[in-house]
Amino acid sequence: GQNIDQPTEMTATEGAIVQINCTYQTSGFNGLFWYQQHAGEAPTFLSYNVLDGLEEKGRFSSFLSRSKGYSYLLLKELQMKDSASYLCAAGANNLFFGTGTRLTVIP
Amino acid sequence: DTAVSQTPKYLVTQMGNDKSIKCEQNLGHDTMYWYKQDSKKFLKIMFSYNNKELIINETVPNRFSPKSPDKAHLNLHINSLELGDSAVYFCASSPGGRPPGGVGYNEQFFGPGTRLTVL
Repeated sequence: GQNIDQPTEMTATEGAIVQINCTYQTSGFNGLFWYQQHAGEAPTFLSYNVLDGLEEKGRFSSFLSRSKGYSYLLLKELQMKDSASYLCAAGANNLFFGTGTRLTVIP
Repeated sequence: DTAVSQTPKYLVTQMGNDKSIKCEQNLGHDTMYWYKQDSKKFLKIMFSYNNKELIINETVPNRFSPKSPDKAHLNLHINSLELGDSAVYFCASSPGGRPPGGVGYNEQFFGPGTRLTVL
């Protein structure tokens, strides 16, 4: 079966660092994706990991451990506009999404 | 320059009616998808089409019938609408296949969503 787990909600302070964890179990694996979704908008692509390790892209980094079925998204220098839901997704040809982590950035 | 577009953006209708949502992508992608996002924000795959052929149907009631007239379009028709069908429906597309010399990469580009409300 398919199972993607991530925390439902997180709160962090502007300027801080936050790590959003995701564990996954999928019948096929072609990579792990993180998407950002602001309220009332479509998900937008943030990052993709297929090999173990850390991928850095500006203020956002994503880590993958395939042996542990584990990933995290790291957001640095948080800004108010980072308040959104962050969706972890994994699978092969078909992506399975977690329920998303709603991040609230407070001043 | 819209990459993935959906119409309508909002759809309000009565229980029992039949309605359609249209999706078009101008990215030249081979694969298109329909997702349903419920009130709890859970995004769930419904269908996946590759070059006009159905490849995924994730236990969706047969009241939902996707139609792909060409690889740039994937429409969703819903018969006998029920209250539980109220949700936001997202269309998405992806290149499909594998990039030359690379591991499979299936980034999906989402449309703006259609908020369906069944009364």
